[in-house]
Amino acid sequence: GQQVMQIPQYQHVQEGEDFTTYCNSSTTLSNIQWYKQRPGGHPVFLIQLVKSGEVKKQKRLTFQFGEAKKNSSLHITATQTTDVGTYFCALTQGGSEKLVFGKGTKLTVNP
Amino acid sequence: DADVTQTPRNRITKTGKRIMLECSQTKGHDRMYWYRQDPGLGLRLIYYSFDVKDINKGEISDGYSVSRQAQAKFSLSLESAIPNQTALYFCATSDTGTGSYEQYFGPGTRLTVT
Repeated sequence: GQQVMQIPQYQHVQEGEDFTTYCNSSTTLSNIQWYKQRPGGHPVFLIQLVKSGEVKKQKRLTFQFGEAKKNSSLHITATQTTDVGTYFCALTQGGSEKLVFGKGTKLTVNP
Repeated sequence: DADVTQTPRNRITKTGKRIMLECSQTKGHDRMYWYRQDPGLGLRLIYYSFDVKDINKGEISDGYSVSRQAQAKFSLSLESAIPNQTALYFCATSDTGTGSYEQYFGPGTRLTVT
């Protein structure tokens, strides 16, 4: 089945520093989603990217979809303690609505 | 998301016991999913259902079964629980009609098999 590699697995930053997590696939993706899971919580949908080269912003979060639609990134500018959690990318498998999740990047923020 | 509920929230059971985890949703979505989450492994799909009469195996279905009793209810059973099924289990839903593959997750069930 389709695989997605997400890096890094862990990231620890000082509050105010930037943070980026990357997802890479060996095959061309039809779309990619990003989810956030707070400690002790459940995954919550952040965004879906569909178009080649697409860039979307949500306040301090910037999401990018690569030109070849094989990779994606999530960048957080000036992290805050509220950004703590695990960020997952997820892609649809084949033509179905099944999601394949990356293993996640766990972000901790030192105040 | 309060629209997707899971019961129980926590469960401790013994090896060999049969256990059922339940999921209900009030979102009116047709598609429902069961995942398990283990530290460092992300979310892995166990079973999914695209409507009441449609049940499909996911990546890791061995040792599990499901029942879609109604559009709003999707249950996961462990026929004979074993310790390596200790994990956090999530139910999720999605809607065919939106054109988005966004999934809505329940709060999770933490299962411990001793």
